[in-house]
Amino acid sequence: EDQVTQSPEALRLQEGESSSLNCSYTVSGLRGLFWYRQDPGKGPEFLFTLYSAGEEKEKERLKATLTKKESFLHITAPKPEDSATYLCAVQRNTGKLIFGQGTTLQVKP
Amino acid sequence: DTGVSQNPRHKITKRGQNVTFRCDPISEHNRLYWYRQTLGQGPEFLTYFQNEAQLEKSRLLSDRFSAERPKGSFSTLEIQRTEQGDSAMYLCASTLGSDGYTFGSGTRLTVV
Repeated sequence: EDQVTQSPEALRLQEGESSSLNCSYTVSGLRGLFWYRQDPGKGPEFLFTLYSAGEEKEKERLKATLTKKESFLHITAPKPEDSATYLCAVQRNTGKLIFGQGTTLQVKP
Repeated sequence: DTGVSQNPRHKITKRGQNVTFRCDPISEHNRLYWYRQTLGQGPEFLTYFQNEAQLEKSRLLSDRFSAERPKGSFSTLEIQRTEQGDSAMYLCASTLGSDGYTFGSGTRLTVV
């Protein structure tokens, strides 16, 4: 059965304290792995798509990496405005996304 | 179009009533997805359309739920005889092909 597990469930950082979020997955027929950011009361906002092991993508303070079993979202020198829930999702052949439960990040000034 | 639009943003209904939500996707997007999200969880897949054809439905979608996408444009999700367990955020997403999914802001349903 397809499964996506994110860790930790919650993460508190001081401003400037770098860290990583983990997304472990088991899926048959992986087409892509997606990272989204979600603010309270809003829909998920697209960050990255990764398609093959070894691929990396960056956007401002965020960098996503992919292996055959997991993906990491690295946050370098975070700011309070980076506080949000970060969602990982795997894409199956049908195109539907299977999401993890998310990691809620709080960055304190 | 600047994004995916969902209406209403919030809906409070009494148990047993029917509710209908609407999603207007990005106009050139041919695929439209419905997800449900409860507090502290990631979105769960409900159903998806390619143009006007409904191609897959989740086992989560009981016979009280029905979705349509007439003419491959906007979509509606109807829940009949609502139950308290239906309380959740209902999210719509659209995409052209299978990349670049864009989500709407969702409809938050509260069943009292």
